[in-house]
Amino acid sequence: NAGVTQTPKFRVLKTGQSMTLLCAQDMNHEYMYWYRQDPGMGLRLIHYSVGEGTTAKGEVPDGYNVSRLKKQNFLLGLESAAPSQTSVYFCASSYHITGELFFGEGSRLTVL
Amino acid sequence: SQQGEEDPQALSIQEGENATMNCSYKTSINNLQWYRQNSGRGLVHLILIRSNEREKHSGRLRVTLDTSKKSSSLLITASRAADTASYFCATDDYGNKLVFGAGTILRVKS
Repeated sequence: NAGVTQTPKFRVLKTGQSMTLLCAQDMNHEYMYWYRQDPGMGLRLIHYSVGEGTTAKGEVPDGYNVSRLKKQNFLLGLESAAPSQTSVYFCASSYHITGELFFGEGSRLTVL
Repeated sequence: SQQGEEDPQALSIQEGENATMNCSYKTSINNLQWYRQNSGRGLVHLILIRSNEREKHSGRLRVTLDTSKKSSSLLITASRAADTASYFCATDDYGNKLVFGAGTILRVKS
């Protein structure tokens, strides 16, 4: 089973460029999440979705947009990348909003 | 702000010793979870303990929860080099989405 798959795994951007991170899950989970992980900060929630066609803001949503057009996919977009968005991004999914999270392997983004 | 905070930030022990990590949180919760993250990898769920439970075991893992003190501990017995990882607690924010702490870095020396 693939579980949660993130693409790409690595990306380098220049300031002002845009990009989209793709997350796909094959567990038929309703809930999906995007976190960012920075040294010493743990994981911080960017946006999440409670079902197809829905999205909601997390703790650090500024500078990011998301879409959940299909239940299995959750996209994270950066419209105009900034060096402060250099981070490791993790996608996760769950059956229940407070249940066990299944994580992808992460996408390492560097903004120069 | 983070709901859960782990203590210590880093822990270094010898193989075979026990490792104890603590998590404190601020608000009422429905459950508390512990996750492990190996270097460069995603987080993996270890164990979930509900607010009406005081202790839970899974293999070499023992988790306790004290809701009166708003704290939890994760004990790894007979540690192995493969246990070297970062460990995170996560709590639901008033029954809402999970919030993670900053983690404890565990190093097990062989």
